[in-house]
Amino acid sequence: GDSVTQMEGPVTLSEEAFLTINCTYTATGYPSLFWYVQYPGEGLQLLLKATKADDKGSNKGFEATYRKETTSFHLEKGSVQVSDSAVYFCALSDNSGNTPLVFGKGTRLSVIA
Amino acid sequence: DAGVIQSPRHEVTEMGQEVTLRCKPISGHNSLFWYRQTMMRGLELLIYFNNNVPIDDSGMPEDRFSAKMPNASFSTLKIQPSEPRDSAVYFCASPPAGTSGIFEQFFGPGTRLTVL
Repeated sequence: GDSVTQMEGPVTLSEEAFLTINCTYTATGYPSLFWYVQYPGEGLQLLLKATKADDKGSNKGFEATYRKETTSFHLEKGSVQVSDSAVYFCALSDNSGNTPLVFGKGTRLSVIA
Repeated sequence: DAGVIQSPRHEVTEMGQEVTLRCKPISGHNSLFWYRQTMMRGLELLIYFNNNVPIDDSGMPEDRFSAKMPNASFSTLKIQPSEPRDSAVYFCASPPAGTSGIFEQFFGPGTRLTVL
């Protein structure tokens, strides 16, 4: 079945550092890909998404590009802030319209001032 | 749109008691998902509904867990009897309004359950 693998954390960065969180997927078709963010004490929020190869999703300074050739959807941000400290989840949808998203295990990011 | 609404936000109960968690999904969509999140196991899908019908409950850990969706605007997750290992944050999620099918999900704020 479809699956998502993301780098294990925790990741600790200093403020203004460059962030990359790796995500790769396995899918039989052409999925849509998502990054969700969970701030402390809150539910998951959709951060960005991409629905086809070479699409770039972006939001709040975060970016991820759908790479079909490497089956990847790595999350990047050029300069992280303390407020970016959260858990980040990579996920995919098989686009069937009837089945749930498949989530990675999450990567905890801590940004220190 | 108020988004996905869950109640209560926090629940503390004693072992053996019945616990009922409630969810109001985003209006205009009749798919709904229940998840459980713990430090040890991460985010787990418990059950999901399409058109108010349970489609896959393979993630429900034991017979002590049950879920219903009597109509498109309400769902419950019940644990009876509760045990300390059920302590977790329980999330409800639904696709956004105005969409057909399941292509992304909006999550509620969660219910933090503590079973003593």
